[in-house]
Amino acid sequence: DADVTQTPRNRITKTGKRIMLECSQTKGHDRMYWYRQDPGLGLRLIYYSFDVKDINKGEISDGYSVSRQAQAKFSLSLESAIPNQTALYFCATSETGSKLFFGSGTQLSVL
Amino acid sequence: KNQVEQSPQSLIILEGKNCTLQCNYTVSPFSNLRWYKQDTGRGPVSLTIMTFSENTKSNGRYTATLDADTKQSSLHITASQLSDSASYICVVSAQAGTALIFGKGTTLSVSS
Repeated sequence: DADVTQTPRNRITKTGKRIMLECSQTKGHDRMYWYRQDPGLGLRLIYYSFDVKDINKGEISDGYSVSRQAQAKFSLSLESAIPNQTALYFCATSETGSKLFFGSGTQLSVL
Repeated sequence: KNQVEQSPQSLIILEGKNCTLQCNYTVSPFSNLRWYKQDTGRGPVSLTIMTFSENTKSNGRYTATLDADTKQSSLHITASQLSDSASYICVVSAQAGTALIFGKGTTLSVSS
């Protein structure tokens, strides 16, 4: 079984819809992250959490929100999806903040 | 401004050949540098970490180098295989690991 599991793997939605991407981990790490990856732009940090009561904005948090439901669960929400949020989204965990362990990603398409 | 620049953006080589990927950074204070491999449709996986005091580190056919004075790192792949086809991402950690600065990656295609 994967250490970092993202659901769904693929999602197609329409502009204005609210969607949630979920991430769960079995690594026992306190630190969790959400990144998006766009062709030519690389990975960019959306939000990160160092423990259940800690939530921090990354460089591109506008239009997104997160919830850390437990040490093992970190979800990303798009309150009102727009086409330029079409991207590949990755959840990651870390023990020390240096080495990241990524999930397999969620490909999101907003029409 | 902390930045990580990778070159080339993409590379095509024949199976069995060697190649070298470059990473230049302007991150300060420097903590460490990691190389990740990202297969198509998968998340990145760490290949190796370089700290300030390390010049060279090998992981099988992958050899990473670090020159902290010129702020350059390279990833050398020996005797390439089709399975080496992937994106390779350089990530630099600022002091205390509180910030990670990502390069945009190099896409390597190995053909038979």
